[in-house]
Amino acid sequence: NAGVMQNPRHLVRRRGQEARLRCSPMKGHSHVYWYRQLPEEGLKFMVYLQKENIIDESGMPKERFSAEFPKEGPSILRIQQVVRGDSAAYFCASSPLAGGKGGYTFGSGTRLTVV
Amino acid sequence: TQLLEQSPQFLSIQEGENLTVYCNSSSVFSSLQWYRQEPGEGPVLLVTVVTGGEVKKLKRLTFQFGDARKDSSLHITAAQPGDTGLYLCAGVYSGGGADGLTFGKGTHLIIQP
Repeated sequence: NAGVMQNPRHLVRRRGQEARLRCSPMKGHSHVYWYRQLPEEGLKFMVYLQKENIIDESGMPKERFSAEFPKEGPSILRIQQVVRGDSAAYFCASSPLAGGKGGYTFGSGTRLTVV
Repeated sequence: TQLLEQSPQFLSIQEGENLTVYCNSSSVFSSLQWYRQEPGEGPVLLVTVVTGGEVKKLKRLTFQFGDARKDSSLHITAAQPGDTGLYLCAGVYSGGGADGLTFGKGTHLIIQP
């Protein structure tokens, strides 16, 4: 029973390119959350999705960032026209229950470096 | 915005010593969770506490949820180098909301052999 799978583990993009981060939740988990982590700043909530629906995107920048969780396939976090400030570790988590009450299972993250 | 304050931010102690780290908030949480994160990896859930005053033990780790459900502590007995990591607390705000967990910034713990 594989855990939350994120790929790629490391991603290097030049300024202005697009970054696509993928997340496959644990089997049986229909709630997916994306977080961004910067050194000394902790985990910052970005977006919460269920299959085909965005439930809460209040933590996601209005420009350049988008997320989806299609009926088939992994959840995708897309960052268009990346800038140096987008460099961070991006973590995906899944849970069997809404709202995080059952605890989250995290992936190993994608470390995005914008050069 | 609910804030979780964790203290201390950094802690370095010798193997065999005891330690306590804290998680405090001005908000009431319906449940609170502790995670440990190692470098290059995602956080791993250690425990969930739900009831005010609840105490849970996980081997040498003791977790307590405050009576008012606004704070929590993690006590480690006879710390070992394998306990080294970033300890994060995260709460589910009792007022509801769809975004789930709010994380503190964590306590960076180093256990020196």
